[in-house]
Amino acid sequence: LAKTTQPISMDSYEGQEVNITCSHNNIATNDYITWYQQFPSQGPRFIIQGYKTKVTNEVASLFIPADRKSSTLSLPRVSLSDTAVYYCLVGDPMDTGRRALTFGSGTRLQVQP
Amino acid sequence: EAGVAQSPRYKIIEKRQSVAFWCNPISGHATLYWYQQILGQGPKLLIQFQNNGVVDDSQLPKDRFSAERLKGVDSTLKIQPAKLEDSAVYLCASSHRNAGNTEAFFGQGTRLTVV
Repeated sequence: LAKTTQPISMDSYEGQEVNITCSHNNIATNDYITWYQQFPSQGPRFIIQGYKTKVTNEVASLFIPADRKSSTLSLPRVSLSDTAVYYCLVGDPMDTGRRALTFGSGTRLQVQP
Repeated sequence: EAGVAQSPRYKIIEKRQSVAFWCNPISGHATLYWYQQILGQGPKLLIQFQNNGVVDDSQLPKDRFSAERLKGVDSTLKIQPAKLEDSAVYLCASSHRNAGNTEAFFGQGTRLTVV
């Protein structure tokens, strides 16, 4: 299983862009990179998933360099409601015989007014 | 689409007692996961089912924890006997893992307090 490393915590202010970087040096060829968000007293929620280059949805963008050894989750113009823990996961979605979702410690994002 | 249902939401038991948690995944989801999340930590996978077969239970303390997914739908996680260190939130999740992505949908969890 590819191990992921991300900052323990980050602080930001409302309206700023936040970039959270995740390191996954031993990512396998078939692995995808997935980010989840978790609010207190709730289960994690899927944000975005990608394999290479850039993926964008209504919530965030995911940047993956050519070597795929890291990835960056970008949250545009954060608000107080984006205060949460963000998890980076790496795994092969098509390998149903292998553990899929391994969470690390995550990055605790605190957005200030 | 209905989400992942878990019950109960909260449970308080004394150590050495037994407890069971129930999960109803999203209809049609082949993969079901049970996680344990201790306060301040990320979720830790206890067991992963693909239909009614076990894919991974390497982190399940099998001397006291057991889980089953009869007929490949609902699942039950049991702890017997409980220890103080089992106090945590137990999360159930399901996914269409054979759809080419690993988007999992989580329930709200069961908060277990062992006293």
